[in-house]
Amino acid sequence: GENVEQHPSTLSVQEGDSAVIKCTYSDSASNYFPWYKQELGKRPQLIIDIRSNVGEKKDQRIAVTLNKTAKHFSLHITETQPEDSAVYFCAASSSNDMRFGAGTRLTVKP
Amino acid sequence: GAGVSQSPSNKVTEKGKDVELRCDPISGHTALYWYRQSLGQGLEFLIYFQGNSAPDKSGLPSDRFSAERTGGSVSTLTIQRTQQEDSAVYLCASSFRDRTAYEQYFGPGTRLTVT
Repeated sequence: GENVEQHPSTLSVQEGDSAVIKCTYSDSASNYFPWYKQELGKRPQLIIDIRSNVGEKKDQRIAVTLNKTAKHFSLHITETQPEDSAVYFCAASSSNDMRFGAGTRLTVKP
Repeated sequence: GAGVSQSPSNKVTEKGKDVELRCDPISGHTALYWYRQSLGQGLEFLIYFQGNSAPDKSGLPSDRFSAERTGGSVSTLTIQRTQQEDSAVYLCASSFRDRTAYEQYFGPGTRLTVT
């Protein structure tokens, strides 16, 4: 089955700086890569996703890049704000399996 | 429309007792998932339903854990003879179709405390 590794486990940045979270996956057949954000005490919610037919996708201050050859994908948050503080989970999905990474706790210091 | 709902929101039980956790997915969603999240930890996959069948039960930690889904809708996760290590938040999610390419919508979770 799929195995997803996520780094770093914790990340602290100054407000206005950029944050990057990286994930690697094991199944070369994986073709769907969502990112979820979980604020403290709340449920995870999808913030962006990318499919294997594109290499990059942007939505305002967040972007995701995908390198299928290297089997890794990354979440980029620019101009970070305190409300970006949360745990972020990546996931990778193939035809019959989907697994989440262990999560990254992002803290944005004002 | 209504999102995924779970009940109860909190459950405190004594070690050795059985508990049932309920999940009501979004109407029309054929796929349903259960996850366990211990304090400050990640999402531990438990089981995946497609309709009423469970093609992937690989995450159930022991035979004390079971789940069923009826009518392609409501699902119940049952934990028998609860242990203290079962204490966690149990999250349910649903998606429009299968889990391979569709957003999962999470419920608010059931916080289980085993004393």
